[in-house]
Amino acid sequence: DVKVTQSSRYLVKRTGEKVFLECVQDMDHENMFWYRQDPGLGLRLIYFSYDVKMKEKGDIPEGYSVSREKKERFSLILESASTNQTSMYLCASSLWGTASYEQYFGPGTRLTVT
Amino acid sequence: EDQVTQSPEALRLQEGESSSLNCSYTVSGLRGLFWYRQDPGKGPEFLFTLYSAGEEKEKERLKATLTKKESFLHITAPKPEDSATYLCAVQAPGNTGKLIFGQGTTLQVKP
Repeated sequence: DVKVTQSSRYLVKRTGEKVFLECVQDMDHENMFWYRQDPGLGLRLIYFSYDVKMKEKGDIPEGYSVSREKKERFSLILESASTNQTSMYLCASSLWGTASYEQYFGPGTRLTVT
Repeated sequence: EDQVTQSPEALRLQEGESSSLNCSYTVSGLRGLFWYRQDPGKGPEFLFTLYSAGEEKEKERLKATLTKKESFLHITAPKPEDSATYLCAVQAPGNTGKLIFGQGTTLQVKP
């Protein structure tokens, strides 16, 4: 079974803090993704990575950065957290170069910025 | 514009009352359509992939079907534990692995 784990289920941070969200997958997937999910707005792609040290912006990259130093690990960084970044953050992974790209999601991190 | 639209937004059923959820899509050259189940406060759980019109997949009380313009998730004799949000997504054009998600249908099954 594919397993995607996220470092925290719940996180509370103060405005202006630097925040790290970690994601690890154990299925040797090339692709990894970070989304945020807000009521009424659905899933929105922040960043994705198709290989180690490779990254591409998604639909809402402002205020975020990412790091992928190892194939199994993809980190999302909030350089200076703001209250409008309070959200559910979801990490996902998928294969690349196959017939289709079903993504497998982690349990999510509920981040609250106060 | 490539997009996915799900309907209805919310659906309430009595236990045992069968129904269908709709996912309509516009994308050039469909390469895959995906259904997910999401429980409150959790990450989406992968259910099915459909590749071509006419294809069907089943899992317990769920059956997903695909036409050239839409997909249906049929729920037969649902139980309260089927209550969840069901998300539909299509593979985005190109070879990036990105998915385009719909807004989801929230299903509530009452005993």
